[in-house]
Amino acid sequence: DQQVKQNSPSLSVQEGRISILNCDYTNSMFDYFLWYKKYPAEGPTFLISISSIKDKNEDGRFTVFLNKSAKHLSLHIVPSQPGDSAVYFCAAGTGTASKLTFGTGTRLQVTL
Amino acid sequence: EAGVAQSPRYKIIEKRQSVAFWCNPISGHATLYWYQQILGQGPKLLIQFQNNGVVDDSQLPKDRFSAERLKGVDSTLKIQPAKLEDSAVYLCASSTWTGAGSDTQYFGPGTRLTVL
Repeated sequence: DQQVKQNSPSLSVQEGRISILNCDYTNSMFDYFLWYKKYPAEGPTFLISISSIKDKNEDGRFTVFLNKSAKHLSLHIVPSQPGDSAVYFCAAGTGTASKLTFGTGTRLQVTL
Repeated sequence: EAGVAQSPRYKIIEKRQSVAFWCNPISGHATLYWYQQILGQGPKLLIQFQNNGVVDDSQLPKDRFSAERLKGVDSTLKIQPAKLEDSAVYLCASSTWTGAGSDTQYFGPGTRLTVL
């Protein structure tokens, strides 16, 4: 049972445009969510997080939106840059356990 | 601040052989995690330590996998004997989590294991 799903394995966006990466979850016990970025041959790098008490969190070009009723979150990157090309993982956890459950990732390609 | 260190970066072994991976977490981080990432999938937690105690090892195949974190700092993950399906990247992560609240985990570069 996959509790965190990223249904788009890949996404291609032009430089300067908005990238929107989506993530759905099924476990209503999750109360915080994170996005990680991963380059080839490197470990995942923390990007941004959001607690379930919020519906939006912004950090520079990156914004995460959380829709608890739909059990859906999205990562917006504006404007997209070629250096953003990477695999993006959505992860979810509960404050009582710390264990993270990851999605399968979305490969973002930002083209010139 | 130094990040999470892992070694080796790459390892190739034959099935039924044994292998060990080492992780040094970020200084001061109480909690350490080992994840297995199979190609095309997200990382899956194998074991979580808080200091030198095990918090969660429910997904660790204990018939062949073992892990320890002596003195609450470095950790080793061992596979004995290895199977073909153990081919994956083994990621170590650490965090300041001490039992409650949200947690940001910081990952090392991983060890890519190939079992032939």
